Amino acid sequence: KAGVTQTPRYLIKTRGQQVTLSCSPISGHRSVSWYQQTPGQGLQFLFEYFSETQRNKGNFPGRFSGRQFSNSRSEMNVSTLELGDSALYLCASSTRGSYNEQFFGPGTRLTVL
Amino acid sequence: GQQLNQSPQSMFIQEGEDVSMNCTSSSIFNTWLWYKQDPGEGPVLLIALYKAGELTSNGRLTAQFGITRKDSFLNISASIPSDVGIYFCAGYGSSNTGKLIFGQGTTLQVKP
Repeated sequence: KAGVTQTPRYLIKTRGQQVTLSCSPISGHRSVSWYQQTPGQGLQFLFEYFSETQRNKGNFPGRFSGRQFSNSRSEMNVSTLELGDSALYLCASSTRGSYNEQFFGPGTRLTVL
Repeated sequence: GQQLNQSPQSMFIQEGEDVSMNCTSSSIFNTWLWYKQDPGEGPVLLIALYKAGELTSNGRLTAQFGITRKDSFLNISASIPSDVGIYFCAGYGSSNTGKLIFGQGTTLQVKP
């Protein structure tokens, strides 16, 4: 069974631009969660989608948004990029959203210049 | 954002030694999870704990859910070079409204 895939793996953007990251969950998984990982703040929960609906949201500004498609693939978008948005963005999938059944992808490394 | 206090931040040990790390929280958790992250990869779940006082093993790894429900411990016995990586604790409970909260991580280096 293929794991969680994230594209692209690496991305360089400049301040003010916007970016879209993609996550393909494990086949059969309907829940996708997104996390931001930085050296200073560690791993922080962004949001969770289940069956195309946002079910939970972390404490991030409105510049961070996401969506989920009918095939469970998910995208997250960050608008008006800031230097502090440089991070590893991880997505994780599970069948129903249970944290103990969650599998993480390798992440997308975003660098904002 | 809300975080768990994980310690130590880093450890450099000799192969064969035992390792201990812990996490504490100001909030009560219903579930504690321990993950390991290798460079260039996402975290991988090692152990999940669901009940206060629970002690669970996974090979050379043993984790415990503290009886106060505000802490958890991970022990690695007889460390080997492939144990190198970053270990994270994470907690989940009704007080944080369904969000998984992570510790800052413990970086483990093992000298052969």
